[in-house]
Amino acid sequence: QKEVEQNSGPLSVPEGAIASLNCTYSDRGSQSFFWYRQYSGKSPELIMSIYSNGDKEDGRFTAQLNKASQYVSLLIRDSQPSDSATYLCALTTSGTYKYIFGTGTRLKVLA
Amino acid sequence: EPEVTQTPSHQVTQMGQEVILRCVPISNHLYFYWYRQILGQKVEFLVSFYNNEISEKSEIFDDQFSVERPDGSNFTLKIRSTKLEDSAMYFCASTKDRTNYGYTFGSGTRLTVV
Repeated sequence: QKEVEQNSGPLSVPEGAIASLNCTYSDRGSQSFFWYRQYSGKSPELIMSIYSNGDKEDGRFTAQLNKASQYVSLLIRDSQPSDSATYLCALTTSGTYKYIFGTGTRLKVLA
Repeated sequence: EPEVTQTPSHQVTQMGQEVILRCVPISNHLYFYWYRQILGQKVEFLVSFYNNEISEKSEIFDDQFSVERPDGSNFTLKIRSTKLEDSAMYFCASTKDRTNYGYTFGSGTRLTVV
């Protein structure tokens, strides 16, 4: 069973639209959740972290966590072509500080 | 803004050779990590290091791998006898503490084993 699952995409959205990226996980003991953006050939860049159920907003980004349903999502408002990248979901489980990554969702924002 | 620095950016090596990948973590950070990403695959944890000791390692981090903090600034990953399947991007990260606000990764070293 995969620990962190993401749809590989590509997810295509028009410029200015809301992009919705989803991630599900298998370990109920997962504690901290992160969204990273990765451009091709580059290192992952941290977008935001979320630890509690509910929404967390940072600029155009909103992370949503639902531990009961074991999913975390990222909404990108007013999507721009520069947002075109692979978005990685990562988490930590109890007793460890290593990050477990999903395979990522490729987002394409069409101008 | 402080950043994690990795060198070299790209290294090509012959199978069976030893390689050392270098990282300069952010200066007041105490926890250090190596991850790798094989082309087209997910980012995978290799090892974490604190207080001059390995604090956690994955199944990937076998006897061919070692880490060291040889001085106050560098953090290195050594692969003793490289295999073709070691070809990947290797990312270093560091954190000040264990509060888990999220890593900042270095720019990575692309290792190609031929």
